Amino acid sequence: DAGVIQSPRHEVTEMGQEVTLRCKPISGHDYLFWYRQTMMRGLELLIYFNNNVPIDDSGMPEDRFSAKMPNASFSTLKIQPSEPRDSAVYFCASSLAEGQGDSPLHFGNGTRLTVT
Amino acid sequence: EDKVVQSPLSLVVHEGDTVTLNCSYEVTNFRSLLWYKQEKKAPTFLFMLTSSGIEKKSGRLSSILDKKELFSILNITATQTGDSAIYLCATADRGSTLGRLYFGRGTQLTVWP
Repeated sequence: DAGVIQSPRHEVTEMGQEVTLRCKPISGHDYLFWYRQTMMRGLELLIYFNNNVPIDDSGMPEDRFSAKMPNASFSTLKIQPSEPRDSAVYFCASSLAEGQGDSPLHFGNGTRLTVT
Repeated sequence: EDKVVQSPLSLVVHEGDTVTLNCSYEVTNFRSLLWYKQEKKAPTFLFMLTSSGIEKKSGRLSSILDKKELFSILNITATQTGDSAIYLCATADRGSTLGRLYFGRGTQLTVWP
């Protein structure tokens, strides 16, 4: 089990540029989540998918943020245009249907985004 | 307004000390409460609690839930430097997927040798 894989690990970009974060969930997991972590606000859910369909995107901060899941093994989170206040660690996580098992949510190692 | 409030925000102790981390929550339709440990990277799962008064234990770590008073505690006995991490508490609503969690801001624990 390779776990949830995110790329890139670090991203430094200038304000106004487009940023794309990538995630490969654990094979067989039906749910995929995008979280953002900052010192000020902690871990916040941005959006989650069930069977590749977006279910709840109420946490997406603005129209500049968009997420897609074209198939069961890949998701992207895009920020266009990026702003300095988007600087944070972005986590992708996946889970089995209804979080079965002892570990309901498996996190990737995150992408640390810095927008200058 | 935060649904999950953790205290203290940070804690510094020496090896061998016992610590208690607190988590209070406000969830309309409570399903479960979870504890995660976050070192440098991804949060890793520690415990999931659904019933009041039943202690969950794993080595030197233990946790208990009080659904009447809406809080949970995480105890770590005989702390070690490897326990240094951010400890996150999260709750899940009934009626939504168990992965849809509300996280607290965490307690930063530092254990000095």
